Amino acid sequence: GAGVSQTPSNKVTEKGKYVELRCDPISGHTALYWYRQSLGQGPEFLIYFQGTGAADDSGLPNDRFFAVRPEGSVSTLKIQRTERGDSAVYLCASSFTGSGEQYFGPGTRLTVT
Amino acid sequence: AQSVSQHNHHVILSEAASLELGCNYSYGGTVNLFWYVQYPGQHLQLLLKYFSGDPLVKGIKGFEAEFIKSKFSFNLRKPSVQWSDTAEYFCAASGGSYIPTFGRGTSLIVHP
Repeated sequence: GAGVSQTPSNKVTEKGKYVELRCDPISGHTALYWYRQSLGQGPEFLIYFQGTGAADDSGLPNDRFFAVRPEGSVSTLKIQRTERGDSAVYLCASSFTGSGEQYFGPGTRLTVT
Repeated sequence: AQSVSQHNHHVILSEAASLELGCNYSYGGTVNLFWYVQYPGQHLQLLLKYFSGDPLVKGIKGFEAEFIKSKFSFNLRKPSVQWSDTAEYFCAASGGSYIPTFGRGTSLIVHP
């Protein structure tokens, strides 16, 4: 079946602009995670959704970052007033339950110039 | 703070050599442990996991890992690597929240 998909695969934006990154989880997966991976590092947790609600957003670095999952399926990660330090690969993962195996998407490579 | 350390950042082996990648974690209480692999151009995927029970865990493609609680370690092993094992390997740990903390990864290159 279809895996986790993320769009766009690449995004180049200018400093100060607003960006949205989309994640389509595996159908039926209730849990959805966002991670950020910088070069030479492992994925860093940002936010976890259980259904429509953010169960844990402790990884969001500041209030420029926000994520939604209004219908409990697709999620959008929103970054306001982007900074060069936001450049990274943003990964999305989903799982059947919060304790289940996470399936990762291909990521969105964000470059802020 | 919870942390995961992978001591080998780059490993280069010849085919048929044995592999051991180190992973140490710093977690209080119950811990769940994972190894993920990312092959070139592909997504992160789960290699194996430990939640409880037998501390020797067998995963896909001949990989195994041993949970040693006294050493806070979960090292990944494979007796004989293949060129196709060339990839980035990530150790991760989670507590009761099931949100994993990842290590920085180990890049493995296997020469044919």
